[in-house]
Amino acid sequence: QVQIVQSGAEVSKPGASVRVPCKASGYSFTGSFIHWVRQAPGQGLEWMGWINGGNGNTKYSQKFQGRVTFTRDTSASAAYMELSSLRSDDTAVYYCARDAYQPTTWSYAAPKLDVWGQGTTVIVSS
Amino acid sequence: SSELTQDPAVSVALGQTVRITCQGDSLTSYYVTWYQQKPGQAPVVVMYGRNNRPLGVSDRFSGSSSGKTASLTITGAQAEDEADYYCSSRHSSGNHDVIFGAGTKVTVL
Repeated sequence: QVQIVQSGAEVSKPGASVRVPCKASGYSFTGSFIHWVRQAPGQGLEWMGWINGGNGNTKYSQKFQGRVTFTRDTSASAAYMELSSLRSDDTAVYYCARDAYQPTTWSYAAPKLDVWGQGTTVIVSS
Repeated sequence: SSELTQDPAVSVALGQTVRITCQGDSLTSYYVTWYQQKPGQAPVVVMYGRNNRPLGVSDRFSGSSSGKTASLTITGAQAEDEADYYCSSRHSSGNHDVIFGAGTKVTVL
């Protein structure tokens, strides 16, 4: 079945980097975009950006530009999010999700993130 | 404004109807996607595009849009509808960035 699996938790120190994996299965990984969304404790959803599973092109939210890097491994149908210079306020659940839409919809519709991983909890603490 | 505004919380009596709204400039240009999130779970799409409901989502959920306001209506709310609801759109600048509303907590009494 179509699913995305993420690792459980990561603990990192302030100033360090964290790499969060996102493993997809059951659909064409290279035919879709993967978005990254985070959620701080008790807070709402925050969009971080996307990666094109096919050509690896990326787009980052301006808030994270320069501090986040998305990569993918098509042979493993996996995407990765690396966040550097971690701060305590980066403590959050990090989700990856598939966009069911193709770029032809970008001019008139929000993404339809129809398959989500269970989220990876990243704790930044000294 | 590039933001999406949602009421922080609404309550509804069991079996009654509740409407959740989302306001923003970008809604004049983009169809919104609505997500339901229950505690400890990932979000789930409940409405997308021109008020389309994914397979498996109850027909208690319906959507509408007018101008800068999109709405998600739950008709005959059930206990399992108690959750956080987020609207999502694209940035009004046209840069294709994605934005989320702050979410509405729906409590079923």
